[in-house]
Amino acid sequence: DGGITQSPKYLFRKEGQNVTLSCEQNLNHDAMYWYRQDPGQGLRLIYYSQIVNDFQKGDIAEGYSVSREKKESFPLTVTSAQKNPTAFYLCASSKLAGVGADTQYFGPGTRLTVL
Amino acid sequence: EDKVVQSPLSLVVHEGDTVTLNCSYEVTNFRSLLWYKQEKKAPTFLFMLTSSGIEKKSGRLSSILDKKELFSILNITATQTGDSAIYLCAGNAGNNRKLIWGLGTSLAVNP
Repeated sequence: DGGITQSPKYLFRKEGQNVTLSCEQNLNHDAMYWYRQDPGQGLRLIYYSQIVNDFQKGDIAEGYSVSREKKESFPLTVTSAQKNPTAFYLCASSKLAGVGADTQYFGPGTRLTVL
Repeated sequence: EDKVVQSPLSLVVHEGDTVTLNCSYEVTNFRSLLWYKQEKKAPTFLFMLTSSGIEKKSGRLSSILDKKELFSILNITATQTGDSAIYLCAGNAGNNRKLIWGLGTSLAVNP
């Protein structure tokens, strides 16, 4: 059963703590993406990766870090430097070639709340 | 600057009505435009449209893209309460494969 999984579903963090959000896909997709969604602001791209061991900053990368050590996994760390981390975080993946290339498929999301 | 603009931002209709959602785009090296439906959680893919102009249909939903006027519409006929969601439109900027997202249209279908 192919898909994208994110964990945890809900996450609470105290100010000043780093936290890592998990994203795993078994779709054999090359590219993976992290978005942040806030009410009224749509989806904003944090980081994306098109190949293992390489990634690029999106529009709002400050205060976040990622790694891509395996094709299936693209974890996102929200650091204490992120000023307003409370949000809904979505991970997505896509093929880069062939039929359906560039269609992004999303995981269920992680809702992060900073207390 | 690349941008995607959706209208209206919100819409309230009654079951059985037909609705048309709009999406205009200005995207460098445009490759395709995608429509998604988002209920409580993650967006789910509906359609991908290219400059070919071919209409896409799935049940009561259909969509088409006008490459000359740079816009797309998503039609939903005989709406049901289950169609209540946010509908997102995104343009694919072919040079870096990123999606440029609109803010979405929030559709509420009342019984």
